[in-house]
Amino acid sequence: AQSVTQPDIHITVSEGASLELRCNYSYGATPYLFWYVQSPGQGLQLLLKYFSGDTLVQGIKGFEAEFKRSQSSFNLRKPSVHWSDAAEYFCAVGPSGNTGKLIFGQGTTLQVKP
Amino acid sequence: EAGVTQSPTHLIKTRGQQATLRCSPISGHTSVYWYQQALGLGLQFLLWYDEGEERNRGNFPPRFSGRQFPNYSSELNVNALELEDSALYLCASSLNRQGGNQPQHFGDGTRLSIL
Repeated sequence: AQSVTQPDIHITVSEGASLELRCNYSYGATPYLFWYVQSPGQGLQLLLKYFSGDTLVQGIKGFEAEFKRSQSSFNLRKPSVHWSDAAEYFCAVGPSGNTGKLIFGQGTTLQVKP
Repeated sequence: EAGVTQSPTHLIKTRGQQATLRCSPISGHTSVYWYQQALGLGLQFLLWYDEGEERNRGNFPPRFSGRQFPNYSSELNVNALELEDSALYLCASSLNRQGGNQPQHFGDGTRLSIL
């Protein structure tokens, strides 16, 4: 069965520090992978996506993610975190086949210390 | 370019009532998706519409239904509301039916509260 695991429910980093959010997936074929961010009271904003090709993808707001097939991972990184990055981050895979369905991880809440 | 817009922002209902949530996709997008984000349950896929037809539905009871209009906007209807239906309902849209290679773009959601 397809699934996404975000092992860290909550992460706290200091402003200016680097960030890595982990995402592991289980998928039968070459996956489509996404990272979304959700600020309080808002919807999901697409940060970046991986479909194929270069395994290091760049996104908005200075984020990047690396697809590692051997580890079934798609970790999100940012070299220097800003206070405005505090939010909940979701990794997603899919849609599988012709279902239209994205499968989301449970999310990681990022807190940024001043 | 306007993003996905949802209305209303908040909706308060009582048990047994019916709720209608609305979504306008990004211009040019033909596929509309609905997700439920309930506390403790994460983001769950509800429905997918494309070109006016329901293409797929998630593991939700039949009292969750919807439709897509000729202008590609969509409605989600929830009948016989239960307390557990309290959640943020998110609508997303994408460019075409083969959603795999087209990312889904989300609106800000409708917060449905059942009293």
